[in-house]
Amino acid sequence: RKEVEQDPGPFNVPEGATVAFNCTYSNSASQSFFWYRQDCRKEPKLLMSVYSSGNEDGRFTAQLNRASQYISLLIRDSKLSDSATYLCVAFKYGNKLVFGAGTILRVKS
Amino acid sequence: DAGVTQSPTHLIKTRGQHVTLRCSPISGHKSVSWYQQVLGQGPQFIFQYYEKEERGRGNFPDRFSARQFPNYSSELNVNALLLGDSALYLCASNPPPDRVPLYGYTFGSGTRLTVV
Repeated sequence: RKEVEQDPGPFNVPEGATVAFNCTYSNSASQSFFWYRQDCRKEPKLLMSVYSSGNEDGRFTAQLNRASQYISLLIRDSKLSDSATYLCVAFKYGNKLVFGAGTILRVKS
Repeated sequence: DAGVTQSPTHLIKTRGQHVTLRCSPISGHKSVSWYQQVLGQGPQFIFQYYEKEERGRGNFPDRFSARQFPNYSSELNVNALLLGDSALYLCASNPPPDRVPLYGYTFGSGTRLTVV
């Protein structure tokens, strides 16, 4: 079983739609979590850190459920420019980032 | 202030050859990590260095090695290249551990290695 698992998609949604991505992690010692965005043939870039209480940044909302070892990302009012691969990432203090395989989002007009 | 710089951006090598990839972290960061990303997968951890010391190693063969210099820049070396080594190699600049939860790691634009 992979340490971080995501639905690979692709998710094909119209502009303006709301879309949610889910992610599960297996290492209960993981302490911090992130969503990274990766455009085609580019490096991953930090989209959001994820906190236990949930956090919001504009159209993006991230949630963490430690009991279920589950992380989510909600994107509201999708834009064409949101089309990318979204990577769920776990981090254990003093250790490495562990990436999921990524979820592909395609927003269409 | 410069971000994470990696060189070269693209590289084509023949099976059996060796390659050296280079990375300079964000000014003030003392730790770097190397990741390999093959098509369709998330980045996989190769090495982490802090203050010139290896602090972690992923599940990669001994053909992969790295080092960090006094100025905190780093090199990743891969010997006896195989076709399966074709990938995007990413260097990450790592902030102090207590800042990771807020800032994560910052990646360079990567080196795209093609082995033919």
